[in-house]
Amino acid sequence: SQKIEQNSEALNIQEGKTATLTCNYTNYSPAYLQWYRQDPGRGPVFLLLIRENEKEKRKERLKVTFDTTLKQSLFHITASQPADSATYLCALASQAGTALIFGKGTTLSVSS
Amino acid sequence: GAVVSQHPSWVICKSGTSVKIECRSLDFQATTMFWYRQFPKQSLMLMATSNEGSKATYEQGVEKDKFLINHASLTLSTLTVTSAHPEDSSFYICSASSAGGGGATYEQYFGPGTRLTVT
Repeated sequence: SQKIEQNSEALNIQEGKTATLTCNYTNYSPAYLQWYRQDPGRGPVFLLLIRENEKEKRKERLKVTFDTTLKQSLFHITASQPADSATYLCALASQAGTALIFGKGTTLSVSS
Repeated sequence: GAVVSQHPSWVICKSGTSVKIECRSLDFQATTMFWYRQFPKQSLMLMATSNEGSKATYEQGVEKDKFLINHASLTLSTLTVTSAHPEDSSFYICSASSAGGGGATYEQYFGPGTRLTVT
């Protein structure tokens, strides 16, 4: 069955460091992968989308890589800030307009 | 742009009653809306896919007669939890794909969620 794993439930880092979150998947060939941020009691907020034919995408302090051979995506937050503390979700889909399959998320805590 | 709203944001109801949750795309047309459910410290689990003007497609294990979904327009989908029980207490979240000139887009935008508590 399709499976998405985010490497750790929780990640604690110091302010200013780079946070790296991992998303691995099996038994799936996604056309694209998305990363979302979710704060407690709130819906997910879209951050970045990367397609299967793209290796890397950047947006401000965020960077996503996508390796379809390793079946893995890495999500980086550079110069992290306490305001970046949240749960980050990885999600996959096979084509546009279809439902997303979500990982359980990694809860990031950035301490000052 | 790409804002999705949900109403209500939270609701408490008694066991056996029905609750309706609305999901609206405020600034775009959504041919497809999705309903997810999220239990504490768990991932979002897809309940059903809703296409405007047609019947919803439910995921395995989701009772279509209990979770009624209506998608009557390109900006509104509703989820009605009928005869709610305490085990239906959860965080319900909708999402929408915008309908661009070439059809559905990849990005999905989520509503803020509705916290349902059944007593």
